[in-house]
Amino acid sequence: EVQLLESGGGLVQPGGSLRLSCAVAGFTFSDYGMSWVRQAPGKGLQWVSGIRSSGAETYYADSVRGRFTISRDNSKNTLYLQMNSLRAEDTAIYYCAKDNGWLASYWGQGTPVTVSS
Amino acid sequence: EIVLTQSPGTLSLSPGERATLSCRVSQSVTNNYFAWFQQKPGQAPRLLIYAASTRATGIPDRFSGSGSGTDFTLTISRLEPEDFAVYYCQQYAFSPRTFGQGTKVEIK
Repeated sequence: EVQLLESGGGLVQPGGSLRLSCAVAGFTFSDYGMSWVRQAPGKGLQWVSGIRSSGAETYYADSVRGRFTISRDNSKNTLYLQMNSLRAEDTAIYYCAKDNGWLASYWGQGTPVTVSS
Repeated sequence: EIVLTQSPGTLSLSPGERATLSCRVSQSVTNNYFAWFQQKPGQAPRLLIYAASTRATGIPDRFSGSGSGTDFTLTISRLEPEDFAVYYCQQYAFSPRTFGQGTKVEIK
């Protein structure tokens, strides 16, 4: 059974940093690309970032490029999202997802991030 | 960025009725790289349909997807109580992958 468990969310002040983690099980992590998708309170879904299976290629939404960094440790079956220079508009639930090609086929339950003073 | 527009915003129906949800895309979606997701309150989205018309693993056959190019449809043939939720469409042909704003299917 595919399992994705996000952690690392919380309350942070504007301009601060957080690192999200996503621990996975139930599939061969190193064979699949992964993504982060977020959902602001009461809003729809927004793709944030993606990474290829090897980690060699990464992709970002324009709204986070230069502030967020996606990475992975295939030896630990873990995906990361380093978030710097956080803004109020980054407040959201952050989901990690297993990609089949470019399709987010399985999603974790999410971790909430609140950016507020 | 590719824009997806879902209609209607809210669909009020009774259990047993048929639901038809639409999604229009601002640019033709290549290879039918198009998906539908279901999201219930407090839960993560769940993949229902991919490649425009293929049901994901474990999805009941009352859910069907159709369409190509710029116009896509999700049909729920007979609504069950557990189907009342928000549905999102998504294109995954182009980067950034983008979602529609969602259609809420509520109990009438």
